Amino acid sequence: GEDVEQSLFLSVREGDSSVINCTYTDSSSTYLYWYKQEPGAGLQLLTYIFSNMDMKQDQRLTVLLNKKDKHLSLRIADTQTGDSAIYFCAESSNTGKLIFGQGTTLQVKP
Amino acid sequence: DAGVTQSPTHLIKTRGQQVTLRCSPKSGHDTVSWYQQALGQGPQFIFQYYEEEERQRGNFPDRFSGHQFPNYSSELNVNALLLGDSALYLCASSFRSGVQPQHFGDGTRLSIL
Repeated sequence: GEDVEQSLFLSVREGDSSVINCTYTDSSSTYLYWYKQEPGAGLQLLTYIFSNMDMKQDQRLTVLLNKKDKHLSLRIADTQTGDSAIYFCAESSNTGKLIFGQGTTLQVKP
Repeated sequence: DAGVTQSPTHLIKTRGQQVTLRCSPKSGHDTVSWYQQALGQGPQFIFQYYEEEERQRGNFPDRFSGHQFPNYSSELNVNALLLGDSALYLCASSFRSGVQPQHFGDGTRLSIL
């Protein structure tokens, strides 16, 4: 079946790198996404990667995809206090239905 | 360029009532999907509308229904509300069904008393 799993909590110091990990089960996934949710807000699309790619970099964000192990990671360089939020990993097939993980709460300490 | 807009932002209902939530997609988008996010959980897919038809449906009872209008906006209706329907309801829009990434609104917080 379809399932996405993430660790629930990550704490880092300001200026360090953060790495948030995700595993998924659906081998037919076409796109994999990272969304950010701040308190009381909706989901902000951070970045996404097509399933035939290994890596994508966008400013401070780097996404790595290991399709063999069905493992996705999001690295945030030079983490700032404004990066404190819940980060969701999601997968979709080409039908567009998104399957989300439970979310990883990122705490950034000054 | 307006993003996805949802109304109302907050709503309080009692058990057994009915509710309608509204969504306007991002400019240029023609597909609307609805998700339910319970407290502390990831969003769960309810259904997707494209060309005014329900194209996919998640594991939700038929108390949950929807509609898409010719201008691509959408409504989510929930009948016979239960306490467990309390959640953040998120609307997402995209272009051409699953081909492009989905952009989310800020959601409607529904509380059932």
